[in-house]
Amino acid sequence: DVKVTQSSRYLVKRTGEKVFLECVQDMDHENMFWYRQDPGLGLRLIYFSYDVKMKEKGDIPEGYSVSREKKERFSLILESASTNQTSMYLCASSFPPDRSSYNSPLHFGNGTRLTVT
Amino acid sequence: SQQGEEDPQALSIQEGENATMNCSYKTSINNLQWYRQNSGRGLVHLILIRSNEREKHSGRLRVTLDTSKKSSSLLITASRAADTASYFCATDFEETSGSRLTFGEGTQLTVNP
Repeated sequence: DVKVTQSSRYLVKRTGEKVFLECVQDMDHENMFWYRQDPGLGLRLIYFSYDVKMKEKGDIPEGYSVSREKKERFSLILESASTNQTSMYLCASSFPPDRSSYNSPLHFGNGTRLTVT
Repeated sequence: SQQGEEDPQALSIQEGENATMNCSYKTSINNLQWYRQNSGRGLVHLILIRSNEREKHSGRLRVTLDTSKKSSSLLITASRAADTASYFCATDFEETSGSRLTFGEGTQLTVNP
């Protein structure tokens, strides 16, 4: 079974702190994603990566950056945490799409619930 | 705006009953996926239906896709208390490449024992 591991289940940080959320997958997936999940807003894509050292902005990249130095690891960075970044953060990975399916199923970690005070 | 929108937002049924959840989307898609999320956990992939398919089954799950109406439904038959979870549809845009999915806000299903 694919395992996507997020380093922390719960985090509490102060406004202005630099925050690192780590995600590791063990299935040699090329694609990795960071989403945030908020009540009434569903899942929103922050950043994704198709390969090592590659990154693409999602729908809400402002206030975030990412790092993909190794294929199995995708880090989300909050440069200066703010209270509106309090949320559940979900990491996911997948194989790249093939010609027939265009999309492969995503495998999610269990999430990191971040509170910024 | 969200590509996929689930309906209803919440559904409460008794064990043994069937549960139907609907998803509508706005633009042409390559395929549509359904996911499940238990409280406080990540999402788990349930089923994928391609744009050229109309119906797909997996165990107690049945998914239909109507591309003319831009809608899909997920049917869970003979529901169990363990099916209590949030269910999300996810779509990709035909115009975009790669594995980028857009999720709806989900349907919260409660199955009462």
